[in-house]
Amino acid sequence: ILNVEQSPQSLHVQEGDSTNFTCSFPSSNFYALHWYRWETAKSPEALFVMTLNGDEKKKGRISATLNTKEGYSYLYIKGSQPEDSATYLCAFYPGNTPLVFGKGTRLSVIA
Amino acid sequence: NAGVTQTPKFQVLKTGQSMTLQCAQDMNHEYMSWYRQDPGMGLRLIHYSVGAGITDQGEVPNGYNVSRSTTEDFPLRLLSAAPSQTSVYFCASSYERSSEQYFGPGTRLTVT
Repeated sequence: ILNVEQSPQSLHVQEGDSTNFTCSFPSSNFYALHWYRWETAKSPEALFVMTLNGDEKKKGRISATLNTKEGYSYLYIKGSQPEDSATYLCAFYPGNTPLVFGKGTRLSVIA
Repeated sequence: NAGVTQTPKFQVLKTGQSMTLQCAQDMNHEYMSWYRQDPGMGLRLIHYSVGAGITDQGEVPNGYNVSRSTTEDFPLRLLSAAPSQTSVYFCASSYERSSEQYFGPGTRLTVT
């Protein structure tokens, strides 16, 4: 079973702070890396699907970068708002086995 | 489009009972999967299907069966429920294995 690690496990920030968290995955056999946002009592929703080394994606105040050679991706949130409070999941797809999810980073933004 | 639908939303079973969790999607996605979500464990893959008539086991398949007779439907069967199967179950679909997954609303199952 492939190991996908996310850090930190949880994070508390003040409204307006910028924050980032990490997803680490095996650097061999890379095909794609997904980021999902999962609000309490809802279902995960995709933020980004990244496939190329050096890829950067952005959606509003949220952005992500990808380094496939060293096996990590960063998710950044600029100027956190209370509505950003959620669990952020990454998922690694090596191409020959199904998607593997990390355990997530739980973000709480305090107003 | 309804997207991915799951029924029921909540279910309580007694140990040993069987039941089927329903999942359907109207996006003509080939790839469908079932996950369970337990505290501290993240999403773990139970079974998946790459198309009608094709299914395969995921990380935690024991105690569950699946079938895929149509592109739209992917039911998950619990053969003889055990308390260890108390969990929240999510069905997901995607255009292909590497594409973004669309999740259903989840089924919260309690086995007593």
